[in-house]
Amino acid sequence: GAVVSQHPSWVICKSGTSVKIECRSLDFQATTMFWYRQFPKQSLMLMATSNEGSKATYEQGVEKDKFLINHASLTLSTLTVTSAHPEDSSFYICSGDRKGDYGYTFGSGTRLTVV
Amino acid sequence: GQQLNQSPQSMFIQEGEDVSMNCTSSSIFNTWLWYKQDPGEGPVLLIALYKAGELTSNGRLTAQFGITRKDSFLNISASIPSDVGIYFCAGRTGTASKLTFGTGTRLQVTL
Repeated sequence: GAVVSQHPSWVICKSGTSVKIECRSLDFQATTMFWYRQFPKQSLMLMATSNEGSKATYEQGVEKDKFLINHASLTLSTLTVTSAHPEDSSFYICSGDRKGDYGYTFGSGTRLTVV
Repeated sequence: GQQLNQSPQSMFIQEGEDVSMNCTSSSIFNTWLWYKQDPGEGPVLLIALYKAGELTSNGRLTAQFGITRKDSFLNISASIPSDVGIYFCAGRTGTASKLTFGTGTRLQVTL
């Protein structure tokens, strides 16, 4: 089945530094990748949609200069949280759309803690 | 962002009992999806529904796509301890379009 590998699974960083999260589709080409943020005991909230080779589309209220998304290939998308602050601490999850697959495959998530 | 109303918010049931949860929306979706999320993990797809009125099963799980396209339900029969987790519904308007998630149903199963 389709697998999306997400790394790292957890990261602790100091306030003001940047963190990069990677998502790789291992056995399919993801033309579209979605990035979500999930706070404790809450649902997944879509942050942005990225298509390979083009700029990401951000949801309302999500700062595009703070959450940099790169989707340079059909198998790799990255999310960089720049100048992280404690309020950015959350669970970040990516999902990939395999053409013809109607249920997107999710990564295992990254727990980000900013101290 | 928009979220779908999912109920109940949480359930505490005994092993062997059946479970039912539903999801409602103010807008129409063309695809309904049901996911299960374990702690510290990403959601895993359980069932996908593509047509209004469709009833689909996956083992002990059964889900239906509401005829109005604005709701869906998920049933779990004869629950077991590994059914514990958070269940999310999600709606989508078209292929490759974004998902709108429900608020989640937290399921606890006691022996």
